[in-house]
Amino acid sequence: NAGVTQTPKFRVLKTGQSMTLLCAQDMNHEYMYWYRQDPGMGLRLIHYSVGEGTTAKGEVPDGYNVSRLKKQNFLLGLESAAPSQTSVYFCASSYSTGAGTEAFFGQGTRLTVV
Amino acid sequence: AQSVSQHNHHVILSEAASLELGCNYSYGGTVNLFWYVQYPGQHLQLLLKYFSGDPLVKGIKGFEAEFIKSKFSFNLRKPSVQWSDTAEYFCAVKAGYSTLTFGKGTMLLVSP
Repeated sequence: NAGVTQTPKFRVLKTGQSMTLLCAQDMNHEYMYWYRQDPGMGLRLIHYSVGEGTTAKGEVPDGYNVSRLKKQNFLLGLESAAPSQTSVYFCASSYSTGAGTEAFFGQGTRLTVV
Repeated sequence: AQSVSQHNHHVILSEAASLELGCNYSYGGTVNLFWYVQYPGQHLQLLLKYFSGDPLVKGIKGFEAEFIKSKFSFNLRKPSVQWSDTAEYFCAVKAGYSTLTFGKGTMLLVSP
């Protein structure tokens, strides 16, 4: 059981380049999330999705776009990367957002923008 | 909107010492509370959670946490830490059907 899988695990981008991070889950979860983790800042929600074809903004959505064309996949795009987007990105999924529902996390993608 | 405050950014302990990590949240209604752990180079894993019932929650690896509603707190405890507990610990809160909000994390270093 793979759980939540993120691709790639590491990436270095030049300022202005674009890229897409892929998150795939095999647990048939409805909800998927993208977080960024920065030292001393904890995890901050970028965007999330409550089901196939839906997306919503989180706490820090600027500079990112997302798509959920298939239930199992949640893509995070950076159209024009900036050094401020250097971070570790985590994808997560959950069955619902009901009481006690936990989120399952991927291994993370370490992105450096130079 | 809910928020989470973790009191200590870094904690250093010797093996066998007792651990208590503070977590306070701000939200007046019903909340679900979580502690996640992130071992070096790994993803976040759930340690324990509270959503109803007994306010003293036991999790994996000997960790426990107590929900004190009057203090808006959910502190994590372990009677005797091990070197393998070295990790970053995140408290998180979910109010109703909202998404998870995380604290800034506490880095625990256990020296052998």
